[in-house]
Amino acid sequence: GNSVTQMEGPVTLSEEAFLTINCTYTATGYPSLFWYVQYPGEGLQLLLKATKADDKGSNKGFEATYRKETTSFHLEKGSVQVSDSAVYFCALGSSYDYKLSFGAGTTVTVRA
Amino acid sequence: GAVVSQHPSRVICKSGTSVKIECRSLDFQATTMFWYRQFPKQSLMLMATSNEGSKATYEQGVEKDKFLINHASLTLSTLTVTSAHPEDSSFYICSARGTDLNEQFFGPGTRLTVL
Repeated sequence: GNSVTQMEGPVTLSEEAFLTINCTYTATGYPSLFWYVQYPGEGLQLLLKATKADDKGSNKGFEATYRKETTSFHLEKGSVQVSDSAVYFCALGSSYDYKLSFGAGTTVTVRA
Repeated sequence: GAVVSQHPSRVICKSGTSVKIECRSLDFQATTMFWYRQFPKQSLMLMATSNEGSKATYEQGVEKDKFLINHASLTLSTLTVTSAHPEDSSFYICSARGTDLNEQFFGPGTRLTVL
């Protein structure tokens, strides 16, 4: 079945530091890949997505590239801000029924 | 666009009572809605898929008689937790899917506490 393995946190960074959160997946077919962000007390918001191999999703300075050869979709940001403090979820969308499978989530705290 | 609301945002109830949670797509029609459960500091677990006008499809291990789902219109799905017990306390999140089958829009969640 489909599954997502995500780097465990928590991750604590200083402002302007470089952020990487690793995400690898196992899937049948040709899934879509997503990164969602959850701010404290709120629901999930789509951060970025990629629907096929070699696609790069980007938003708000975050990037992730769909790597089929390594079955990965690592999230990166070159210079984080305090406002980036949140929980980040990697997710896989099945190409058969479009259901989402989520990773465990990574809590990121950015200190001023 | 693509806003999903949930009501209530928080609810506290006594053990043995039933609680209804509403999920609405505010500016689009959603033929499919999903219900998730999130335990503290854990990921989201899909409970069921709700299709407008038909019965919900439950994931393995989810009690359909305990978690009643109704999707009566293209903009509203409801989850009723029947005879709630403390172990049902959790964060319940819904999502709605529009015309792009690859994308789900999430509600802000409902925090249920059963005393």
